[in-house]
Amino acid sequence: EPEVTQTPSHQVTQMGQEVILRCVPISNHLYFYWYRQILGQKVEFLVSFYNNEISEKSEIFDDQFSVERPDGSNFTLKIRSTKLEDSAMYFCASSERVGGNEKLFFGSGTQLSVL
Amino acid sequence: AQSVTQLGSHVSVSEGALVLLRCNYSSSVPPYLFWYVQYPNQGLQLLLKYTSAATLVKGINGFEAEFKKSETSFHLTKPSAHMSDAAEYFCAVRTNSGNTPLVFGKGTRLSVIA
Repeated sequence: EPEVTQTPSHQVTQMGQEVILRCVPISNHLYFYWYRQILGQKVEFLVSFYNNEISEKSEIFDDQFSVERPDGSNFTLKIRSTKLEDSAMYFCASSERVGGNEKLFFGSGTQLSVL
Repeated sequence: AQSVTQLGSHVSVSEGALVLLRCNYSSSVPPYLFWYVQYPNQGLQLLLKYTSAATLVKGINGFEAEFKKSETSFHLTKPSAHMSDAAEYFCAVRTNSGNTPLVFGKGTRLSVIA
């Protein structure tokens, strides 16, 4: 089965630094998502992206976050000035179509640790 | 707004025993419900989904879940646990309004004891 690939698997950064988390969605998919999971908490939706623009975002996705599809294959999440509370597992996902019953394919995640 | 509650952050069963992972949902409109599994160092994989057809849904690896509207539940079961079932299991809900986000529960870690 095709896979969503995320790099790096682990990222350690200092508070206030910028980080970019990278994802390669499945090649024929058109809808892209970022989720995160803080240790011991729920997997939370951050943002969805379609046709080179954000289609929906949560209240978590504030001005320090941005997403981009720079080259037609990668899908990145940038955190401009990291805070301690940004430490979490970040999951990228993609789907071929939109719709409530559509299957999302998830990557294995990037564990971000902010020191 | 939709939400899911997974009862029990950690469930431990013996190999060969019944697996029961509980999920209750809240949704103001008919929901789509999902179970995802995460094996160590892997991404979330879809186990099964309920899309308003049959209330008993069969998924991969022998898992199944039953949608019970009266109980607002979508519990995941497997008759006989295998060591390879040890993983984190996530229940999730979504509505069919455009591209609404998938809303997850906290997850339940399943341990299988030999």
